Amino acid sequence: DADVTQTPRNRITKTGKRIMLECSQTKGHDRMYWYRQDPGLGLRLIYYSFDVKDINKGEISDGYSVSRQAQAKFSLSLESAIPNQTALYFCATSKLSTGELFFGEGSRLTVL
Amino acid sequence: AQSVSQHNHHVILSEAASLELGCNYSYGGTVNLFWYVQYPGQHLQLLLKYFSGDPLVKGIKGFEAEFIKSKFSFNLRKPSVQWSDTAEYFCAVILFSGGYNKLIFGAGTRLAVHP
Repeated sequence: DADVTQTPRNRITKTGKRIMLECSQTKGHDRMYWYRQDPGLGLRLIYYSFDVKDINKGEISDGYSVSRQAQAKFSLSLESAIPNQTALYFCATSKLSTGELFFGEGSRLTVL
Repeated sequence: AQSVSQHNHHVILSEAASLELGCNYSYGGTVNLFWYVQYPGQHLQLLLKYFSGDPLVKGIKGFEAEFIKSKFSFNLRKPSVQWSDTAEYFCAVILFSGGYNKLIFGAGTRLAVHP
């Protein structure tokens, strides 16, 4: 079983719809992250959380929100999806000390 | 501004050719360095990492990277590539500054290896 699990893996939705991407981890890491990947742009950080009560915006947080329901769960919401949010989204966790990231398998979102 | 540059966006090689992918970062302080690989349709996986010590680090699948502090570089190398190395490769740098750390990814290099 994967240590970092994302659901759904694929989702097609329409402009204006609310979408939630969920992430759960069994690695016991305090730190969790949401990234989006776009061709030629690499990975860009949306939000990150160092523990349940600590949530921070990344470089591209506009249009997104997050919830850290527990140490092991970190969900990403698009309140009103738009086509330029079509991307591959990755959840990741990391150890406090080294910063090495452990990625989920990705959630491919298409907004029509 | 702090950044990570991967100079080659697309690289095409034949099998058995040697590979070197460049990665440079702009930060004068303490760093941890990573190379991640993303095979087609898969998530990112750690290829190798440098935290301290010997600047030449060896990773999985015959890859290695050399940290040259004076050049702010962490280039990835493999002496002889295989078709199965076709993937996208990301350099990432963690910058440490007074108890705060910041992770920055490069834009990625897409490698295609032809038989």
